[in-house]
Amino acid sequence: DVKVTQSSRYLVKRTGEKVFLECVQDMDHENMFWYRQDPGLGLRLIYFSYDVKMKEKGDIPEGYSVSREKKERFSLILESASTNQTSMYLCASSRDSYGYTFGSGTRLTVV
Amino acid sequence: AQSVAQPEDQVNVAEGNPLTVKCTYSVSGNPYLFWYVQYPNRGLQFLLKYITGDNLVKGSYGFEAEFNKSQTSFHLKKPSALVSDSALYFCAVRDGNSGYALNFGKGTSLLVTP
Repeated sequence: DVKVTQSSRYLVKRTGEKVFLECVQDMDHENMFWYRQDPGLGLRLIYFSYDVKMKEKGDIPEGYSVSREKKERFSLILESASTNQTSMYLCASSRDSYGYTFGSGTRLTVV
Repeated sequence: AQSVAQPEDQVNVAEGNPLTVKCTYSVSGNPYLFWYVQYPNRGLQFLLKYITGDNLVKGSYGFEAEFNKSQTSFHLKKPSALVSDSALYFCAVRDGNSGYALNFGKGTSLLVTP
């Protein structure tokens, strides 16, 4: 079964910490995406990548960066975590624009 | 930009009754439309999609959706609701301006009561 795996289901971090959220897919997909989900706001796109070492800003990139050194791994980095980054983070991948697979999500709490 | 709207925050329906979760879209060109479901503290699960072809799309778990170009709608339907259908439902459209990322609606919470 094809998978997108997010390394942590729950994380608690302190304000100011550098936080890494990891996402790995085993489907050889070119495209990978990071979203954050907040109640009443739906899912909002943070960053996406369409190839190794390529990255593009989404709708809400401020306070985040990403890394894609290998095709299967797409990391989301919070340079200095803040309480307003407390959220559910979802990773997704796709080969083309017809099928998207999501990970189970990481619920991040910044205290 | 391509966008979708889900006008209802919550939909309540009795078990056994038909359900509809509404979605309207705003796109330039031909829309690629999707429905996903999310159970508590879980990721998104794919239900169905419309790319081209028949306006009535059948998907997982007995769900279907009707693409209506004149009304720019893509409503999710099920003939007979189950309590286990209670979840958060998201409509989404492919956005060619963002590397073909999906743009999501705000979600509709479906509650099916016994």
